[in-house]
Formats: sequence, structure tokens, C-alpha cells
Amino acid sequence: SQQGEEDPQALSIQEGENATMNCSYKTSINNLQWYRQNSGRGLVHLILIRSNEREKHSGRLRVTLDTSKKSSSLLITASRAADTASYFCAQTQGGSEKLVFGKGTKLTVNP
Amino acid sequence: EAEVAQSPRYKITEKSQAVAFWCDPISGHATLYWYRQILGQGPELLVQFQDESVVDDSQLPKDRFSAERLKGVDSTLKIQPAELGDSAMYLCASSLGYGGQGNSPLHFGNGTRLTVT
Repeated sequence: SQQGEEDPQALSIQEGENATMNCSYKTSINNLQWYRQNSGRGLVHLILIRSNEREKHSGRLRVTLDTSKKSSSLLITASRAADTASYFCAQTQGGSEKLVFGKGTKLTVNP
Repeated sequence: EAEVAQSPRYKITEKSQAVAFWCDPISGHATLYWYRQILGQGPELLVQFQDESVVDDSQLPKDRFSAERLKGVDSTLKIQPAELGDSAMYLCASSLGYGGQGNSPLHFGNGTRLTVT
């Protein structure tokens, strides 16, 4: 079962623009994680944000979490062609420790 | 940087045949996971090990899938017999922490792409 839903499913932008991806989930969470996956490769962990945090930064990445709306967003600033990948959010569901991934957003950054 | 190793990288097999995948996690990582990822979808957990013990295999189709991590280090996932619907990417991941998936980042291997014909 997939808990989170990323939006949009696909996003195409020009190099230098910002990219925003959203994630909505259904049940209470312990924390939320974002991962990146290049085509044909494994997933790479980007950021973990805990349920009591509202915003977190890592380099050109900014993640926000709104537990009242059960949503999170990932912002990539000044995008590069190398940012082209699929981006997934994942959460632990309620009382379970299982990490559940959404279907992902496919980002294309055009040079 | 240490990596999770998986082999083979690609596997083509005929339906009803047996197939096995191998994973070597990052040294010192107690928790190991096998995920299945269908094209265009997110990964779905098949089985989670903590050391050599299975802690979650609720989504593992046990009539045809088996997984083991005998010495608490590397792991093997087997499918017998393979079916057409098993075509997918099989990803192995490991994490440092005990006590569940949610508190430690997962480190993924590059997966095995399985095609069943």
C-alpha cells in the first residue's frame, strides 16, 4: 500500500528555475523522508524531517512539513540538468515502523 | 563512500524458473530491506531483517518468495517459480539503526532488473 501521493506526477523546467514537488499523506507520521532516483539506479536519501519540525534545508534543497494539512513540499532552487530524476517521499505510517513510498514525481531539467 | 552491493544487475528468466538475487549491505548496518519497484511506481517493502531475524515480511508472497540473512550480513532473495508479474526492479537497502525504518535513512543498492518471459 502506498501512503503518500506526490504531485505533480511529472514536471519539466529549464535549468536555473526552481522546482517544487508536493507530497500528501493520509495518517499520522513519525517523520517524512525524501529520496531521489536516477533512471535505472537505486534511491538516494535527501532529507529526513521529523514530525515536530516545520522546515529543513540542505544545500539547494528546502523541505517543509505541515502536519495539520498532512503535506510536505520539496523545493529545489537553481535547478541543474543533473537534478533530472524521480523524487519520492516516504513516511512511517501511524504506529507502524514500515517506511512507505509514494509513486514519485518525475523531474526533467532542460539545459 | 560505502555502498550497498547487489547482483546480478540484470536477470532474464523464463516463467516457472527459479531466480535468486544477492545483497551485501553497508558494513555495520543491522537492518536490511528488500523492496520491489514496478516501473512508474514507488518501492514496496517485501521483507525487513534486523540482524538475521525477519521483522516484517507481511508483503512477501510466501508461496513463491523466500529471503534469508543467515549470518546477519549479506542476504539472498529467491523466487520459485517466477511468474510474468514478477518483472520489476528488486532493490536492497540497509540502515544503521535498530527499532524500525522511520528514524534512519535507507541506503539503497542499484537493484536487480528482473524480466520474466
